[in-house]
Amino acid sequence: NAGVTQTPKFQVLKTGQSMTLQCAQDMNHEYMSWYRQDPGMGLRLIHYSVGAGITDQGEVPNGYNVSRSTTEDFPLRLLSAAPSQTSVYFCASQPRTPGVLFFGEGSRLTVL
Amino acid sequence: GEDVEQSLFLSVREGDSSVINCTYTDSSSTYLYWYKQEPGAGLQLLTYIFSNMDMKQDQRLTVLLNKKDKHLSLRIADTQTGDSAIYFCAEISNDYKLSFGAGTTVTVRA
Repeated sequence: NAGVTQTPKFQVLKTGQSMTLQCAQDMNHEYMSWYRQDPGMGLRLIHYSVGAGITDQGEVPNGYNVSRSTTEDFPLRLLSAAPSQTSVYFCASQPRTPGVLFFGEGSRLTVL
Repeated sequence: GEDVEQSLFLSVREGDSSVINCTYTDSSSTYLYWYKQEPGAGLQLLTYIFSNMDMKQDQRLTVLLNKKDKHLSLRIADTQTGDSAIYFCAEISNDYKLSFGAGTTVTVRA
């Protein structure tokens, strides 16, 4: 099993560009989520999904879109990148046990 | 809303015990968690404790929960250089979302 796979690992964007961070898991987990990690702020929830076809907003959803067409994939789209979106992004999936998250290795995004 | 607080840094000598402290605010949290993040990697679940327990031990790790004071701690016995990492405390809300603290960076010195 590969677990949770995120791509790309690194990306540099210019302000106003759009891009998609990919996330895939092969553990058949229903619950998936996206977090951003900023220094001194821990992880903040952007969007999450409790199953295919169902998504919901987390704590900091503005500027991001998600979709969940399959159980395996949960891409995160930046619609028009801003410097405030410079961060490390983590995708996670979760089995039925509450709070037991499996994280990807992260995607480091820099917006100039 | 939930608010999880941790001290940001801890320096410990190799072989000593490390104690990382955390306070949380949601008294309805059913589980509390400790995650570890090594440099350049994602978070990994270290251990978790159910709210009706006050202690859990797993090899070198001991978790203590004081529900009255909403205080959680993680003790690492015989700290090794491989324990250098960021440790996150997290609590879970009723809708199964996790709230993370800012993380405690543990540095192990020889």
